[in-house]
Amino acid sequence: NAGVTQTPKFRVLKTGQSMTLLCAQDMNHEYMYWYRQDPGMGLRLIHYSVGEGTTAKGEVPDGYNVSRLKKQNFLLGLESAAPSQTSVYFCASSYGGSYQETQYFGPGTRLLVL
Amino acid sequence: RKEVEQDPGPFNVPEGATVAFNCTYSNSASQSFFWYRQDCRKEPKLLMSVYSSGNEDGRFTAQLNRASQYISLLIRDSKLSDSATYLCVVPGYSSASKIIFGSGTRLSIRP
Repeated sequence: NAGVTQTPKFRVLKTGQSMTLLCAQDMNHEYMYWYRQDPGMGLRLIHYSVGEGTTAKGEVPDGYNVSRLKKQNFLLGLESAAPSQTSVYFCASSYGGSYQETQYFGPGTRLLVL
Repeated sequence: RKEVEQDPGPFNVPEGATVAFNCTYSNSASQSFFWYRQDCRKEPKLLMSVYSSGNEDGRFTAQLNRASQYISLLIRDSKLSDSATYLCVVPGYSSASKIIFGSGTRLSIRP
Protein backbone atom coordinates (compact mmCIF):
# COMPACT_ATOMS: atom_id res chain seq x y z
CA ASN A 1 0.00 0.00 0.00
CA ALA A 2 1.95 3.02 -1.29
CA GLY A 3 -0.56 5.66 -0.19
CA VAL A 4 -0.17 8.82 -2.24
CA THR A 5 2.67 9.08 -4.73
CA GLN A 6 3.78 12.01 -6.87
CA THR A 7 5.83 12.22 -10.05
CA PRO A 8 8.30 13.84 -10.59
CA LYS A 9 10.01 14.67 -7.29
CA PHE A 10 11.88 17.63 -8.69
CA ARG A 11 11.78 19.60 -11.93
CA VAL A 12 13.36 22.70 -13.42
CA LEU A 13 11.45 24.54 -16.14
CA LYS A 14 12.10 27.59 -18.23
CA THR A 15 9.49 30.32 -18.39
CA GLY A 16 6.82 29.40 -20.91
CA GLN A 17 7.40 25.65 -20.84
CA SER A 18 4.62 23.28 -19.93
CA MET A 19 4.55 20.23 -17.71
CA THR A 20 2.21 17.82 -15.97
CA LEU A 21 2.49 16.65 -12.39
CA LEU A 22 1.04 13.24 -11.67
CA CYS A 23 -0.56 12.17 -8.42
CA ALA A 24 -1.67 8.61 -7.73
CA GLN A 25 -3.39 7.08 -4.70
CA ASP A 26 -4.19 3.46 -3.94
CA MET A 27 -6.59 4.02 -1.03
CA ASN A 28 -9.74 4.21 -3.16
CA HIS A 29 -10.32 7.77 -1.98
CA GLU A 30 -12.98 9.84 -3.68
CA TYR A 31 -11.47 13.24 -3.00
CA MET A 32 -8.14 14.47 -4.29
CA TYR A 33 -6.44 17.85 -3.93
CA TRP A 34 -3.53 19.84 -5.28
CA TYR A 35 -1.82 22.37 -2.98
CA ARG A 36 1.16 24.62 -3.32
CA GLN A 37 3.37 25.57 -0.40
CA ASP A 38 5.52 28.69 -0.43
CA PRO A 39 7.90 29.94 2.30
CA GLY A 40 6.08 31.70 5.11
CA MET A 41 2.68 30.70 3.79
CA GLY A 42 0.37 27.84 4.52
CA LEU A 43 -0.61 25.29 1.96
CA ARG A 44 -2.97 26.85 -0.56
CA LEU A 45 -5.52 24.82 -2.46
CA ILE A 46 -5.15 25.02 -6.25
CA HIS A 47 -7.80 22.60 -7.50
CA TYR A 48 -9.61 19.63 -6.12
CA SER A 49 -11.76 16.75 -7.29
CA VAL A 50 -14.75 15.13 -5.61
CA GLY A 51 -14.68 12.04 -7.79
CA GLU A 52 -13.67 10.58 -11.11
CA GLY A 53 -14.39 12.97 -13.96
CA THR A 54 -14.96 16.00 -11.73
CA THR A 55 -12.75 18.96 -10.87
CA ALA A 56 -13.27 22.25 -9.05
CA LYS A 57 -11.28 25.42 -8.43
CA GLY A 58 -9.60 26.08 -5.17
CA GLU A 59 -8.16 29.25 -3.74
CA VAL A 60 -5.39 29.83 -6.32
CA PRO A 61 -6.38 28.13 -9.60
CA ASP A 62 -5.02 30.63 -12.14
CA GLY A 63 -2.32 29.25 -14.41
CA TYR A 64 -3.16 25.61 -13.63
CA ASN A 65 -5.44 22.98 -15.08
CA VAL A 66 -6.35 19.56 -13.73
CA SER A 67 -7.90 16.33 -14.85
CA ARG A 68 -9.27 13.27 -13.05
CA LEU A 69 -9.85 10.69 -15.75
CA LYS A 70 -9.32 7.79 -13.36
CA LYS A 71 -10.31 7.65 -9.72
CA GLN A 72 -6.78 6.89 -8.58
CA ASN A 73 -5.04 9.65 -10.58
CA PHE A 74 -5.16 13.43 -10.40
CA LEU A 75 -3.06 15.42 -12.86
CA LEU A 76 -1.95 19.03 -12.47
CA GLY A 77 -0.91 20.87 -15.62
CA LEU A 78 1.03 24.06 -16.12
CA GLU A 79 0.46 25.25 -19.68
CA SER A 80 2.96 28.12 -19.65
CA ALA A 81 5.13 28.13 -16.55
CA ALA A 82 5.99 31.41 -14.85
CA PRO A 83 8.60 32.12 -12.14
CA SER A 84 5.72 32.81 -9.72
CA GLN A 85 4.85 29.13 -9.97
CA THR A 86 8.12 28.13 -8.36
CA SER A 87 6.90 26.23 -5.33
CA VAL A 88 6.50 22.86 -3.67
CA TYR A 89 3.38 21.10 -4.88
CA PHE A 90 1.60 18.59 -2.69
CA CYS A 91 -1.14 16.25 -3.72
CA ALA A 92 -3.51 14.89 -1.09
CA SER A 93 -6.48 12.57 -0.95
CA SER A 94 -9.28 11.85 1.47
CA TYR A 95 -12.07 9.31 1.72
CA GLY A 96 -14.79 11.94 1.95
CA GLY A 97 -15.02 15.66 1.43
CA SER A 98 -15.98 16.79 4.89
CA TYR A 99 -13.49 19.13 6.46
CA GLN A 100 -13.28 16.59 9.27
CA GLU A 101 -11.72 14.02 6.98
CA THR A 102 -8.02 13.32 7.34
CA GLN A 103 -6.07 14.26 4.25
CA TYR A 104 -3.18 12.04 3.23
CA PHE A 105 -0.37 13.79 1.42
CA GLY A 106 2.12 12.74 -1.20
CA PRO A 107 5.84 13.48 -0.77
CA GLY A 108 5.69 16.65 -2.87
CA THR A 109 7.13 17.92 -6.14
CA ARG A 110 9.66 20.71 -6.05
CA LEU A 111 9.32 22.94 -9.09
CA LEU A 112 11.73 25.67 -10.06
CA VAL A 113 10.78 27.97 -12.93
CA LEU A 114 13.62 30.04 -14.32
CA ARG B 1 -8.08 39.07 11.21
CA LYS B 2 -6.56 36.41 8.97
CA GLU B 3 -8.50 33.15 8.72
CA VAL B 4 -5.75 31.39 10.64
CA GLU B 5 -2.61 32.74 12.22
CA GLN B 6 0.34 31.05 13.83
CA ASP B 7 3.52 32.31 15.43
CA PRO B 8 6.18 31.16 12.96
CA GLY B 9 8.77 30.64 15.70
CA PRO B 10 11.24 29.07 15.80
CA PHE B 11 10.67 27.79 19.30
CA ASN B 12 14.00 26.46 20.50
CA VAL B 13 13.66 24.41 23.69
CA PRO B 14 15.80 21.81 25.51
CA GLU B 15 14.94 18.16 25.44
CA GLY B 16 12.52 17.26 28.21
CA ALA B 17 10.93 20.69 28.35
CA THR B 18 7.26 21.47 27.94
CA VAL B 19 6.36 23.74 25.06
CA ALA B 20 3.09 25.19 23.88
CA PHE B 21 2.01 27.29 20.95
CA ASN B 22 -1.25 28.74 19.78
CA CYS B 23 -3.19 29.19 16.60
CA THR B 24 -5.89 31.83 16.23
CA TYR B 25 -8.76 31.55 13.78
CA SER B 26 -11.42 33.93 12.53
CA ASN B 27 -14.36 31.68 11.62
CA SER B 28 -16.40 31.57 14.83
CA ALA B 29 -18.61 28.84 13.34
CA SER B 30 -15.74 26.36 13.13
CA GLN B 31 -16.46 23.13 14.96
CA SER B 32 -13.35 21.06 14.55
CA PHE B 33 -9.68 21.71 14.06
CA PHE B 34 -6.53 19.82 13.35
CA TRP B 35 -2.84 19.85 14.01
CA TYR B 36 -0.59 18.48 11.28
CA ARG B 37 3.11 17.88 11.65
CA GLN B 38 5.53 18.57 8.81
CA ASP B 39 9.15 17.46 8.95
CA CYS B 40 11.72 19.38 6.95
CA ARG B 41 11.21 18.84 3.20
CA LYS B 42 8.50 16.24 3.86
CA GLU B 43 4.75 16.11 3.50
CA PRO B 44 2.32 17.15 6.26
CA LYS B 45 0.87 14.34 8.38
CA LEU B 46 -2.08 14.48 10.74
CA LEU B 47 -0.99 14.77 14.37
CA MET B 48 -4.34 15.11 16.09
CA SER B 49 -7.87 16.42 15.77
CA VAL B 50 -9.47 18.89 18.15
CA TYR B 51 -13.19 18.72 18.81
CA SER B 52 -15.20 20.41 21.55
CA SER B 53 -12.89 21.19 24.42
CA GLY B 54 -9.75 19.33 23.45
CA ASN B 55 -7.87 16.13 22.86
CA GLU B 56 -4.94 14.32 24.46
CA ASP B 57 -2.64 11.73 22.92
CA GLY B 58 0.33 10.71 25.01
CA ARG B 59 2.63 13.69 25.43
CA PHE B 60 0.51 15.86 23.17
CA THR B 61 -2.51 17.86 24.29
CA ALA B 62 -4.59 20.05 22.02
CA GLN B 63 -7.09 22.46 23.49
CA LEU B 64 -9.75 24.71 22.05
CA ASN B 65 -10.76 28.09 23.41
CA ARG B 66 -13.90 29.12 21.56
CA ALA B 67 -14.37 32.39 23.40
CA SER B 68 -10.97 33.68 22.31
CA GLN B 69 -10.95 31.70 19.07
CA TYR B 70 -7.69 29.88 19.39
CA ILE B 71 -6.42 26.35 19.64
CA SER B 72 -3.26 25.35 21.40
CA LEU B 73 -0.82 22.47 21.19
CA LEU B 74 1.10 21.43 24.30
CA ILE B 75 4.01 19.02 24.10
CA ARG B 76 5.29 17.57 27.36
CA ASP B 77 8.67 15.92 27.92
CA SER B 78 9.79 16.99 24.46
CA LYS B 79 12.00 14.68 22.41
CA LEU B 80 14.55 15.46 19.73
CA SER B 81 12.19 13.76 17.28
CA ASP B 82 9.52 16.37 18.01
CA SER B 83 11.54 18.90 16.00
CA ALA B 84 9.26 19.81 13.09
CA THR B 85 6.86 22.44 11.88
CA TYR B 86 3.36 22.21 13.31
CA LEU B 87 0.52 23.31 11.05
CA CYS B 88 -2.80 24.42 12.41
CA VAL B 89 -5.78 23.58 10.17
CA VAL B 90 -9.24 25.13 10.40
CA PRO B 91 -12.37 24.80 8.24
CA GLY B 92 -12.60 27.26 5.38
CA TYR B 93 -15.46 29.58 4.58
CA SER B 94 -16.24 28.21 1.16
CA SER B 95 -15.94 25.22 -1.11
CA ALA B 96 -12.90 26.87 -2.68
CA SER B 97 -11.11 26.82 0.62
CA LYS B 98 -12.43 23.71 2.30
CA ILE B 99 -9.77 23.79 4.95
CA ILE B 100 -7.23 26.45 5.69
CA PHE B 101 -3.67 25.63 6.66
CA GLY B 102 -1.73 27.96 8.88
CA SER B 103 1.80 28.80 7.83
CA GLY B 104 3.13 26.71 10.70
CA THR B 105 5.16 27.04 13.88
CA ARG B 106 8.68 25.73 13.73
CA LEU B 107 9.87 23.80 16.78
CA SER B 108 13.47 22.85 17.39
CA ILE B 109 14.40 20.61 20.31
CA ARG B 110 18.04 20.82 21.39
CA PRO B 111 19.93 18.09 23.34
